[in-house]
Amino acid sequence: EPEVTQTPSHQVTQMGQEVILRCVPISNHLYFYWYRQILGQKVEFLVSFYNNEISEKSEIFDDQFSVERPDGSNFTLKIRSTKLEDSAMYFCASRPSPLSPNEQFFGPGTRLTVL
Amino acid sequence: AQSVTQPDIHITVSEGASLELRCNYSYGATPYLFWYVQSPGQGLQLLLKYFSGDTLVQGIKGFEAEFKRSQSSFNLRKPSVHWSDAAEYFCAVGAHAAGNKLTFGGGTRVLVKP
Repeated sequence: EPEVTQTPSHQVTQMGQEVILRCVPISNHLYFYWYRQILGQKVEFLVSFYNNEISEKSEIFDDQFSVERPDGSNFTLKIRSTKLEDSAMYFCASRPSPLSPNEQFFGPGTRLTVL
Repeated sequence: AQSVTQPDIHITVSEGASLELRCNYSYGATPYLFWYVQSPGQGLQLLLKYFSGDTLVQGIKGFEAEFKRSQSSFNLRKPSVHWSDAAEYFCAVGAHAAGNKLTFGGGTRVLVKP
């Protein structure tokens, strides 16, 4: 069964460093998402991406964040200068198309630890 | 704006007993509703979903949920809990609009006593 994959599974970085979290959505999916979950808290929407542009973003998704689909398979989330409060589990999700029911398929997550 | 409330932060249940997790949502139209389960340190696994039609939906692992529009609820149930059901459960709501985000509730942590 096709699935969303994410790498790395765990990333440790120093405050102020740039990190790139990588996701490979399901191959024929067109809509992509990033969510995050701070330890012990609920899952929060960050950004959605369709047709090579951001469709919607939350107030969390400030100028420190960016997303990109650099090729036909990867979808990345970049944090330019990490802060301690960026420590969280980051989930990528994908969905077949805008016309499909809003069922999103989630990856296993990347745990980001900022020291 | 859409929102989800899961009133119970923790629930402890004995193995073999029934389980019901509450979920109340706020959304202006007919929503898409989901239940996800998350084991410690793991990702989100979809248990079941409601899009339309029959208001009682069956999911994986013996779970079911009932959509009640009049109560804005989508409660999750399981008749007989297994020790492996100990996990955190998240209810989520999405919209029919293209690209719409999912909004998650705060989660309910289920502990299973032997």
